[in-house]
Amino acid sequence: QQPVQSPQAVILREGEDAVINCSSSKALYSVHWYRQKHGEAPVFLMILLKGGEQKGHEKISASFNEKKQQSSLYLTASQLSYSGTYFCGTDLAEFYFGSGTKLNVKP
Amino acid sequence: NAGVMQNPRHLVRRRGQEARLRCSPMKGHSHVYWYRQLPEEGLKFMVYLQKENIIDESGMPKERFSAEFPKEGPSILRIQQVVRGDSAAYFCASSPYFDPTYSYEQYFGPGTRLTVT
Repeated sequence: QQPVQSPQAVILREGEDAVINCSSSKALYSVHWYRQKHGEAPVFLMILLKGGEQKGHEKISASFNEKKQQSSLYLTASQLSYSGTYFCGTDLAEFYFGSGTKLNVKP
Repeated sequence: NAGVMQNPRHLVRRRGQEARLRCSPMKGHSHVYWYRQLPEEGLKFMVYLQKENIIDESGMPKERFSAEFPKEGPSILRIQQVVRGDSAAYFCASSPYFDPTYSYEQYFGPGTRLTVT
């Protein structure tokens, strides 16, 4: 089942923080995060597999809650290069992406 | 360091013609996914293949669409008798393995933009 992302769009100033959420009514096997810039291919950011897991570095990180029904992507001190659409996704052979969160970082 | 290759990058077809999209996975990768993306929308799963085998095609329309990944050569997504609604970007992605107990990142190709006139 397709995970649900929120918010749909975010506008930030450089240096501000953002949180993007990805949730499901059922426990997810895994959660993937990708970023896609306009007209380009999606680029892999990270995968989380275990409930309670946190991953990433200080600027871009993600968490997966204990029930494995929600993941959040944290963007800290955003840079112009962070602009793009962020997708979460999950797999069970077939792969489902969320509808995406459009992030626009302005100077 | 060849990544995932797709060709052609842009394809224009008239209604009723056939479209063939090719995808060569990253070196060492034996699994390929195909996705369709409409403008300003998310990626919709179509099919998941390994060499000579379709693992899951639950996202593929039942008619006019087919996919293969032969032992030699690229994976091919074939759309017969294209209609205007087939206009979209088609991305393939590759991953190294299939393991039902694990999950692997996907590496995406640049996409093929199909326009049906």
